[in-house]
Order: sequence, then C-alpha cells, then structure tokens
Amino acid sequence: AQSVTQPDIHITVSEGASLELRCNYSYGATPYLFWYVQSPGQGLQLLLKYFSGDTLVQGIKGFEAEFKRSQSSFNLRKPSVHWSDAAEYFCAVGAAGYSTLTFGKGTMLLVSP
Amino acid sequence: EADIYQTPRYLVIGTGKKITLECSQTMGHDKMYWYQQDPGMELHLIHYSYGVNSTEKGDLSSESTVSRIRTEHFPLTLESARPSHTSQYLCASSELGTGGLAHTQYFGPGTRLTVL
Repeated sequence: AQSVTQPDIHITVSEGASLELRCNYSYGATPYLFWYVQSPGQGLQLLLKYFSGDTLVQGIKGFEAEFKRSQSSFNLRKPSVHWSDAAEYFCAVGAAGYSTLTFGKGTMLLVSP
Repeated sequence: EADIYQTPRYLVIGTGKKITLECSQTMGHDKMYWYQQDPGMELHLIHYSYGVNSTEKGDLSSESTVSRIRTEHFPLTLESARPSHTSQYLCASSELGTGGLAHTQYFGPGTRLTVL
C-alpha cells in the first residue's frame, strides 16, 4: 500500500520569501503525485500533478514541484510567497492498481508580513 | 463551465434528524468520492463509486450511506444525525480508468455539518 508523509505540520514564511513544502511517499513503482491547496472552509483545489516524464512540473499560482525518485520525494516550491498563499497544502499519491488517492496529513502555511 | 457542486454549504441540525448532503458534477466523471474532514485535520475517505449503481466503503467506517442512481449525482445520507457526525464533508470526482487522469480528483466546496 502507498503512504504519504508531510513532515511539517506548520510552516511560517515571510511574504516575498521562497517556500518549500516537503512530501515523501512510499510506493514501489512510479506513483501519480498531486499537490492540493485548501483555503479555510473550502474544498481542495488542484495545484499540480505528476504522472511521468519531466520531473519538474509547473502548476497554477506560480507553484512548481520536483519529483525525485531517489529520495521518494515530491516537494512543492514557490520562489516568492504572497499573503494569499496562506492555506493548508496536501500532498497525495495514487498508483495503478489502486482505486483511490492517499493523502498526507497536510501542512499549514502561515505568511507573515 | 464544468464543475462540482455541494449543497448545502452549511447545515446546523438537531440530534436524531435525517439529513442528505447533495453532490453533483457536470464534468461527466464516472468516479465520485465522499471524504470526511475535521477542522485542520487530514481527509478520510468514507465512500466512493465507480459509476451508476456502484458504491464502495472507504477507509474510515461511517454511519452514512450513499447512492448513485445518476452519473452526475452522489448524495450522502445520515439516517439519524449525532453530535459525533459534526465535521466537514467533501465530495470529489474523477475519470474512470487506471492512469494518472483517473486518479486526478476534483473537489467541491464542501458542506460543514454541525449536529447539536
């Protein structure tokens, strides 16, 4: 079975600073990887996804993520954080042969002025 | 515009009442899902469906039930609401298949349920 670990429960970043949110997965073959963002009281919005090919994927709102097979990681990055990026971020993994996604527990991003 | 809708967005109800949370999508997706999420917590899959007349239980045991009579509609019902059912309920959908697109889920805005 696949699993997802988001090691950071909370992260605080100054506005304008760079951001990296960590995600590690456990799965034997190439997984399908996703990052979602959730604002308070809202559903999840898909930021980006990785299936195969180029290991650096671009998403919406200026986010990108890099798949590193050797580290079993799929970290989310943004070069300059805006106050509106404050939200909960979820990493998720899926795989052929499995019907559903496995979500991490989420990382809460706080943006300080 | 293709989308996924949930109604109501907020519901406050007394113990023992029967409730139905509605979820509809206009994306033509075959697979649909229900998640339960406590504030600031992780998502727990409680039900999913591969298509009409298909329903499966998820990872988290739930007293709720679901039905799938139409492709676009996946309602969740609680026969007798209790305070322990207080939570946010999220509906999602995806294509059918085995590839990455079949795992790409699109979420509705959620229903926040409070049972007094």
